[in-house]
Amino acid sequence: NAGVTQTPKFQVLKTGQSMTLQCAQDMNHNSMYWYRQDPGMGLRLIYYSASEGTTDKGEVPNGYNVSRLNKREFSLRLESAAPSQTSVYFCASSRKPGEKLFFGSGTQLSVL
Amino acid sequence: KNEVEQSPQNLTAQEGEFITINCSYSVGISALHWLQQHPGGGIVSLFMLSSGKKKHGRLIATINIQEKHSSLHITASHPRDSAVYICAVRSSYNLIQGAQKLVFGQGTRLTINP
Repeated sequence: NAGVTQTPKFQVLKTGQSMTLQCAQDMNHNSMYWYRQDPGMGLRLIYYSASEGTTDKGEVPNGYNVSRLNKREFSLRLESAAPSQTSVYFCASSRKPGEKLFFGSGTQLSVL
Repeated sequence: KNEVEQSPQNLTAQEGEFITINCSYSVGISALHWLQQHPGGGIVSLFMLSSGKKKHGRLIATINIQEKHSSLHITASHPRDSAVYICAVRSSYNLIQGAQKLVFGQGTRLTINP
């Protein structure tokens, strides 16, 4: 009964390094999301995928890219990490856009 | 002014007390979510509602669309209810390529002391 699995849980990068955050869901959901959570800011949408084969920008997409590899998996890539990308990242999924969200456990990313 | 405002920002209470957390929003919405974020960081969706009231165990969520206000109540509070509670609204008007945008409040940190 995994739900939404997100890896890694913690990561430290140096400025300019790249990395990919992985997310997979086993609930046959159509929609998947990447959020970041910063102190005092609330959750903000980075990118989302309303259905397999589509991806779209959210509120704060700059510096990120995504891939909806298949219906289960939705990855987030930082090509050249910056200190402003230090945050907690959450992957989420829903059966359809706007419906109840199921969240992964989060990735705490620090960019030095 | 934020589109979604929660109050209070922090709330400390004794075990057994009745808890109320408020959420006010300024945009037209099609639905409102209540989420719970545990001290370990995990986020769980508690309710999604567009009218009236929903109840699950000791948790009750209400919404008044005309007043643009929702409340989350916890009856017989317990230390395990200690968490951050987040309100999020699904805007009727702010569409992102067909997927309606969720706007999140900043959360209410609830601490229940034994």
